[in-house]
Amino acid sequence: GESVGLHLPTLSVQEGDNSIINCAYSNSASDYFIWYKQESGKGPQFIIDIRSNMDKRQGQRVTVLLNKTVKHLSLQIAATQPGDSAVYFCAENTADTGNQFYFGTGTSLTVIP
Amino acid sequence: DGGITQSPKYLFRKEGQNVTLSCEQNLNHDAMYWYRQDPGQGLRLIYYSQIVNDFQKGDIAEGYSVSREKKESFPLTVTSAQKNPTAFYLCASSPWTSGLYEQYFGPGTRLTVT
Repeated sequence: GESVGLHLPTLSVQEGDNSIINCAYSNSASDYFIWYKQESGKGPQFIIDIRSNMDKRQGQRVTVLLNKTVKHLSLQIAATQPGDSAVYFCAENTADTGNQFYFGTGTSLTVIP
Repeated sequence: DGGITQSPKYLFRKEGQNVTLSCEQNLNHDAMYWYRQDPGQGLRLIYYSQIVNDFQKGDIAEGYSVSREKKESFPLTVTSAQKNPTAFYLCASSPWTSGLYEQYFGPGTRLTVT
């Protein structure tokens, strides 16, 4: 079966520092990966995605890195702000699953002012 | 203002009662999904629908039922057969059923059954 996991359940960083959140996946056939941000009591929000034919993708203050060799995904947040405090999920998808995603348990990021 | 709406935000029911959670989207998305979220666990798929009048069971469909009579609506009924219904329920949609597309989530409904 699918397995998506996060290395650290919690992460605390100082405001202004960079944050790195990691995710491991087990299905080498996974084609597509998404990072979501979820604030308390709310639905997940899309942050950034990456397809398996890429190693790196950058957005505004965020970068996702994909290492297919070790089946590892990371989210880097530059200059972390208090508003970044939330739970971050990775999700992976394989094209032959009808757009079904498998979600990690999440990492709780706390930004210390 | 496009998006996915779920109502109500909080729902309380007595054990043994069926309850229906609403999910509406105006994104013109073909596919819709229902997930359950429990503390310390990833989202788990309950049901999904790729087209109107068709839906498939996800990983944890037992005790739940859905309908898809309209493209924009995908209500979820939590029946009395669901052994542990208290959870945070999330509805999502995506523009296509094949290929690789992100899923857009609603704000969620927190159901408490006592």
